[in-house]
Amino acid sequence: EAQVTQNPRYLITVTGKKLTVTCSQNMNHEYMSWYRQDPGLGLRQIYYSMNVEVTDKGDVPEGYKVSRKEKRNFPLILESPSPNQTSLYFCASMSGGIIAGELFFGEGSRLTVL
Amino acid sequence: AQTVTQSQPEMSVQEAETVTLSCTYDTSENNYYLFWYKQPPSRQMILVIRQEAYKQQNATENRFSVNFQKAAKSFSLKISDSQLGDTAMYFCAFRRTSYDKVIFGPGTSLSVIP
Repeated sequence: EAQVTQNPRYLITVTGKKLTVTCSQNMNHEYMSWYRQDPGLGLRQIYYSMNVEVTDKGDVPEGYKVSRKEKRNFPLILESPSPNQTSLYFCASMSGGIIAGELFFGEGSRLTVL
Repeated sequence: AQTVTQSQPEMSVQEAETVTLSCTYDTSENNYYLFWYKQPPSRQMILVIRQEAYKQQNATENRFSVNFQKAAKSFSLKISDSQLGDTAMYFCAFRRTSYDKVIFGPGTSLSVIP
């Protein structure tokens, strides 16, 4: 089954404690991206990657890091989480090229930073 | 920079009736793609319908159709014969032909009333 898998689905942590949210896709997609969803703001892009070893900042990259060492994995790293990073996070992937590919989303990760 | 606006934060519709969700966008591009995504209470993001800007014909998927007005930069979603399962957040999204960013609007929360 084609899917994007995120872990953990729920996480409560404390300020400053490093954490990683993993993301893996099994569709051989070149493009992967991280979004955060906040009420009234929709989904805002944090980082994206168009292929292995290629990553770029989205609209809200501050406080986050990513890496793309393998095509299927795109982890999101919060080196020193703060309460304003409390949010719902989505990983997504998309097939490459100029066709109207759709984003395939993971099930979301609800993060609370105390 | 591209922006996507959804001017209706919340809407409601009676079951079996028709409802239209509005979306406007701003871009200087001539070729691009537009999408409507649905997010039910389960949080899963689901593609509802897509439209290529170079196609004049409005896209249709069963009970879902769009009214794409390129000159006005408007992309509304019409849901016919509304069902209880249509209750969800609906996000309008824009993507250039290069697959670097998919930009989302703030969303419209739709409630279908029995």
